[in-house]
Order: sequence, then structure tokens, then C-alpha cells
Amino acid sequence: GAGVSQSPRYKVAKRGQDVALRCDPISGHVSLFWYQQALGQGPEFLTYFQNEAQLDKSGLPSDRFFAERPEGSVSTLKIQRTQQEDSAVYLCASSHRGSGNTIYFGEGSWLTVV
Amino acid sequence: AQSVAQPEDQVNVAEGNPLTVKCTYSVSGNPYLFWYVQYPNRGLQFLLKYITGDNLVKGSYGFEAEFNKSQTSFHLKKPSALVSDSALYFCAVRDMSNSGYALNFGKGTSLLVTP
Repeated sequence: GAGVSQSPRYKVAKRGQDVALRCDPISGHVSLFWYQQALGQGPEFLTYFQNEAQLDKSGLPSDRFFAERPEGSVSTLKIQRTQQEDSAVYLCASSHRGSGNTIYFGEGSWLTVV
Repeated sequence: AQSVAQPEDQVNVAEGNPLTVKCTYSVSGNPYLFWYVQYPNRGLQFLLKYITGDNLVKGSYGFEAEFNKSQTSFHLKKPSALVSDSALYFCAVRDMSNSGYALNFGKGTSLLVTP
């Protein structure tokens, strides 16, 4: 597709449930990012992939958060044993390699933990 | 460390008037600077960026921004606001001197343009 595609758009999870959020980046984009955006806040960096390599995971808030990109294209962000504080919008973004390149964002996956 | 400050939570402007949304940054090296806009229940849309060259950058939908190195600012401007410009605006910075690629975002400024 033309843009970054994320699914599901909306997810309601019961506390303690595991969730998986999918991101399909723009075709040909080497770099892939995950961000977390809490209500009324700016996006916070979670993790970065270059192709299949996870080069930076410094923003993952706990070991319950795990991301993968096994073939260097589609990525999955997994949250285990969800807690209420995990409720947020999870934004995926992609770009060509190079720090001056524009990062393009998907519409986000809205996670509500009840 | 790199950071971005957007000092105004909300900016109110009448349609047809010029608008400014403020952004200041802090990086150890030279900055790459970006502006994004977010409409309700949507992702972030790229508006413009400063990488190098001319300090005045023109972007989408008539927006522009001026990079001011001495004041470490990158304010977003538009000569004549439209009601449809009402949205949440985010400034972001990337430090050229470090090897990371992540953008660091401000907390956002809500722009309200009234008819």
C-alpha cells in the first residue's frame, strides 16, 4: 500500500491478556519505529529496527513489551500480561535509511486495557 | 540528550490571521527538526523538516518554519489560518551527532482556528 498500515485499529484487552499489534511499513523502507502515545501527550519512542535487526529497544517500558521484524518487513509489537497503564495509542512509522529522511506514521493502534 | 519544548498547550487564532506555533530544542550536536500534525483519531502527518541549508523551510498546506540556531528555535508559521488547520501540532528533533535514528517529540500544541 501507499502508507504505513497498522492493525488492529482498536483493541480492548482485559488486564492480564496478551496482545499483538501489527505494522506493515511502506514498501522499501528499511527503518521501522514503534512509538507509544498516551492521551494528551507526544509520542514516546519504544524501539527501532533496521531491516530485521532491532538496533535500539531502549524505550520499551518493561520486559512485558517485545517487538520483532523477522523478515525485515512486517513488524509485530507484543505486550504480555497487559496492565491498565499500557492503555495508549501505539504508532508505527517507517523511513528510508538515513537520519535526515522523513519518518512516515501509520494511523495507530488504540489499546484500551480494562 | 535531546529534547523539545513546546511552551504553549493551546494557540487560538481567528481565521485569516497569521499563526505561530512555538518550538525550542536542545541537542548536543546539530539538529534535524520536524513538524507533524495530528487530526483527531488519526496518526501523525509530516508537514516539513529542516536538515540543512536555507533557514526558512516551506512545507505542506502553506506552512513554513524558520530555523534559528542562536535561539535554538524552529517555530511553525502560516500567513493566513484556516478553520481546517485546527489540530494538534508536534515538533520533533533528531540529534545528528548521535547514531540513533529516533525522533524526540514535544508534548504538542493544540491549534484552534475560529471562523
